[in-house]
Amino acid sequence: RKEVEQDPGPFNVPEGATVAFNCTYSNSASQSFFWYRQDCRKEPKLLMSVYSSGNEDGRFTAQLNRASQYISLLIRDSKLSDSATYLCVVRRYNTDKLIFGTGTRLQVFP
Amino acid sequence: EAQVTQNPRYLITVTGKKLTVTCSQNMNHEYMSWYRQDPGLGLRQIYYSMNVEVTDKGDVPEGYKVSRKEKRNFPLILESPSPNQTSLYFCASSLTGMGNSPLHFGNGTRLTVT
Repeated sequence: RKEVEQDPGPFNVPEGATVAFNCTYSNSASQSFFWYRQDCRKEPKLLMSVYSSGNEDGRFTAQLNRASQYISLLIRDSKLSDSATYLCVVRRYNTDKLIFGTGTRLQVFP
Repeated sequence: EAQVTQNPRYLITVTGKKLTVTCSQNMNHEYMSWYRQDPGLGLRQIYYSMNVEVTDKGDVPEGYKVSRKEKRNFPLILESPSPNQTSLYFCASSLTGMGNSPLHFGNGTRLTVT
């Protein structure tokens, strides 16, 4: 079993839709959590960190559920420009080790 | 502009011909790392460095070398490239390697070894 697992998708949604992705992690000693966005053949870019209390950045909301060991990303009012692969990233407690999920692909259509 | 710069963007080479991919960051970051990305496998760490003169193996270090003689530079060296090293490579840096310090990535090097 992979340490960080994501549904690869693709998630095909119309503009304006709300879409949510989950990411599960197996190591309970995981400390820090991030969502990265990666466009085709480009470098990953930090979308947002995920805090224990949940956090929001515009149309994007990230949540952490430590009891069930998953994080989620909610995108409201999807735009065509949101089409990308979303990578879940987990850092183990008190280490420099970052574990990347293989990503969830989102395709927003007109 | 704060950035991580890696070169070249594209490289086609033959088996056994030594090559170096350069990586430089201008953010005074302590932590630097190299990843390779392959379809279905996600990003896998090759080597990382917590600071100058400190390097450690990641998950897939075989066939690669790195050095960290200066804080800003972290080159990736393939002494004798093989076709299974054909991949998309990313260099990344962060302020520290711990806590909520996020990674900043270079724009990638697509390597083909024939």
